[in-house]
Amino acid sequence: DAGVIQSPRHEVTEMGQEVTLRCKPISGHDYLFWYRQTMMRGLELLIYFNNNVPIDDSGMPEDRFSAKMPNASFSTLKIQPSEPRDSAVYFCASSQGQGKTQYFGPGTRLLVL
Amino acid sequence: SQKIEQNSEALNIQEGKTATLTCNYTNYSPAYLQWYRQDPGRGPVFLLLIRENEKEKRKERLKVTFDTTLKQSLFHITASQPADSATYLCALDPLGGYNKLIFGAGTRLAVHP
Repeated sequence: DAGVIQSPRHEVTEMGQEVTLRCKPISGHDYLFWYRQTMMRGLELLIYFNNNVPIDDSGMPEDRFSAKMPNASFSTLKIQPSEPRDSAVYFCASSQGQGKTQYFGPGTRLLVL
Repeated sequence: SQKIEQNSEALNIQEGKTATLTCNYTNYSPAYLQWYRQDPGRGPVFLLLIRENEKEKRKERLKVTFDTTLKQSLFHITASQPADSATYLCALDPLGGYNKLIFGAGTRLAVHP
């Protein structure tokens, strides 16, 4: 299995632009998680889905952030408009079943200028 | 307030020695605690999970202890190798579930030949 796939791996954009991050979970996994990692705040859970349904989005920083999972093999995290403080590494992770090991993707390094 | 603390200073040890990393938490009563390894430019990788009713767990050269009275977990790597150099993160779900993980900031371990 290829593991969790994220794209792009790096993104540089200007403040105010829309950014879309993509994730393909491991086939057969029914949980999908989006995390953000910064030096200041560490690794934080933003939102997670179960069977394509958002279960908890309490970690989403504000309305500029939105996440979707249109099917079992694809999810997006969108930031619109982006701000410099959104600069971070965004990780997607997936797991098979409640309480099972989360497998992380390689991350997308976002820089908002 | 609720928080998870790990040694912010990097831990430097000589190859062959035992590395001991600490994870302290306050105002949580987790049912379990997890340890992850993160290499530069990569996502975290799950290593071990220890439950509140387990005092100790081992996996090859890794050993984790969990003291719910002290609110502390210790992570040991015996016979350390330069390949063990990485950042190690502890994580728990404050709600006792398995999905809303809260991560510590991590401790960077450097094993010198």
